[in-house]
Amino acid sequence: DIVMTQSPDSLAVSLGERATINCKSSQSVLYSSNNKNYLGWYQQRPGQPPKLLMYWASSRESGVPDRFSGSGSGTDFTLTISSLQAEDVAVYYCQQYYSTPPTFGQGTKVEIK
Amino acid sequence: EVRLLESGGGFIHPGGSLRLSCAASGFTFSIYDMSWVRQAPGKGLQWVSAISGSGGDTYYADSVKGRFTISRDNSKNTVYLQMNSLRAEDTAVYYCAKTPGHWKFDYWGQGTLVTVSS
Repeated sequence: DIVMTQSPDSLAVSLGERATINCKSSQSVLYSSNNKNYLGWYQQRPGQPPKLLMYWASSRESGVPDRFSGSGSGTDFTLTISSLQAEDVAVYYCQQYYSTPPTFGQGTKVEIK
Repeated sequence: EVRLLESGGGFIHPGGSLRLSCAASGFTFSIYDMSWVRQAPGKGLQWVSAISGSGGDTYYADSVKGRFTISRDNSKNTVYLQMNSLRAEDTAVYYCAKTPGHWKFDYWGQGTLVTVSS
């Protein structure tokens, strides 16, 4: 199974400041035949189910604010929130869908400083 | 609007069985794979099982293989998870998720809690 490791486990950011979450996979999730990274990001607000934010590592799901962006390739990925809002308080998970079973990172909790 | 509504969770003793259901609406159910993903209390997300749109292909995590069975009834827009030989470590909120190919999950239900305890 591909192991996904996120860092940090938690971070506190002031409103309006940038938040950066890292995700590393134990093997590449870049499929060479289509040059796509099989990597998604999810947001889980307290008491809510997860919500898909990003797919193909950098494509934003419909309706997701443009302050969210994803980057990276191969084994190293980043989710950036450019200007943290109160409603962004949540746990964020990366997930690989390159191979079965699909696996998630352990989560990164984002709080307001 | 896509809606997924899970039901069937509850308290069960180790070794017991439960059947979860997920009723879907707002999309053409039969053309999409569907998955179950679980979350133990205070923990992260774990994919459990998936089924193709036709129901002809099923997939399981090693931790549930041989104990859980996923199925679907496209005439009822419902996916099921039959869980047998339940263990304490199966305690979790079980989410149903629409799976638009490639094992990513674009819509999730609110989840149903399964508690396995003696």
